Amino acid sequence: DAGVTQSPTHLIKTRGQQVTLRCSPKSGHDTVSWYQQALGQGPQFIFQYYEEEERQRGNFPDRFSGHQFPNYSSELNVNALLLGDSALYLCASSLRRLGGETQYFGPGTRLLVL
Amino acid sequence: AQSVTQPDIHITVSEGASLELRCNYSYGATPYLFWYVQSPGQGLQLLLKYFSGDTLVQGIKGFEAEFKRSQSSFNLRKPSVHWSDAAEYFCAVGTYKYIFGTGTRLKVLA
Repeated sequence: DAGVTQSPTHLIKTRGQQVTLRCSPKSGHDTVSWYQQALGQGPQFIFQYYEEEERQRGNFPDRFSGHQFPNYSSELNVNALLLGDSALYLCASSLRRLGGETQYFGPGTRLLVL
Repeated sequence: AQSVTQPDIHITVSEGASLELRCNYSYGATPYLFWYVQSPGQGLQLLLKYFSGDTLVQGIKGFEAEFKRSQSSFNLRKPSVHWSDAAEYFCAVGTYKYIFGTGTRLKVLA
């Protein structure tokens, strides 16, 4: 049973650039959530996608956007990168139609902005 | 405001000793509570969860946690720690959106 997968594992960008991160949910899951984990901090909720729509959003600027595809996979896009966007980006999947409370996390994408 | 507090940033225990990691939360409704573990460079692995019912929940790797509503706490325990338990532990609360604590880094002495 495949778990949550994310790509790429590492990424280096410069300020002002744009980045796209990808996530494939655990088999059978229909909901994808994205979190940002800065060094030494706990993960912070960015947003959640279900049925190809953004359903919940945390306290992140519009530079952060996403998409969910019909196969439930998801992308996180960040525009106009800032140094402060350097972090581990975690994707989590869940099954919303059964309550969706339990989220299973992928290994993350580590983004470094120079 | 909704929040999770993990008072201990670092904890060091000897292998074979017992362990308790503290977690306090502030949440308006009946909370769903979780403990996750993160090894260096890895994602988060679910240890256990509490939704309702028995306030003592069992998880993987010999961990358990007790929900105490009166104290707004959900502390994680293990009776005998193994060297492989060295990692960072996160408490979280929420339903569709999780709020995490800042984590407790566990070091295990041989």
